[in-house]
Amino acid sequence: DAGITQSPRHKVTETGTPVTLRCHQTENHRYMYWYRQDPGHGLRLIHYSYGVKDTDKGEVSDGYSVSRSKTEDFLLTLESATSSQTSVYFCAISAQPEGPQHFGDGTRLSIL
Amino acid sequence: GENVGLHLPTLSVQEGDNSIINCAYSNSASDYFIWYKQESGKGPQFIIDIRSNMDKRQGQRVTVLLNKTVKHLSLQIAATQPGDSAVYFCAEKEKGGSEKLVFGKGTKLTVNP
Repeated sequence: DAGITQSPRHKVTETGTPVTLRCHQTENHRYMYWYRQDPGHGLRLIHYSYGVKDTDKGEVSDGYSVSRSKTEDFLLTLESATSSQTSVYFCAISAQPEGPQHFGDGTRLSIL
Repeated sequence: GENVGLHLPTLSVQEGDNSIINCAYSNSASDYFIWYKQESGKGPQFIIDIRSNMDKRQGQRVTVLLNKTVKHLSLQIAATQPGDSAVYFCAEKEKGGSEKLVFGKGTKLTVNP
């Protein structure tokens, strides 16, 4: 398995609070991604990074921000969580954009 | 599209049978395709990939077939085992596009012992 650790694995929080999810990799891959997975939808890309301090938006980026200060860490922040952001969040990594992405085991986030 | 039901297509097979899972993709400009397996409570696991210059690719007990004419991808699993029970979904990437993959919604495979 690819060395990807997501933390926390589960979190319950209240509407309006800030939340930060962490993805840590030990593979030294350049590309990192944040997805959300909801019933009735395929995985949807939130943000991705193509290098340290290089990030771009995905298809569902509203309400989310990211940071990548080191190759191994990619943080996803919900500045003010809303109930619509209740989801399972997955981090993925890839060595090159033309190759497969490898996923962590996800963070289940519930916003009440 | 986005407005689909909450229930995934399902496929139920007997242990030892071969399974075929299908995926229709939408973008004729896609040139790279991946199959993933996702077990309950876990992240998607890479199974096999194929590029558009190929029609078929084989792995261990799995074969992916690509029909670009009808934009169809299939995953064949030989001698299906109970451990193969999971949700399977395909992903596509557009040639020359960004680094983004577009994921299908998946098929739930149940293997009966």
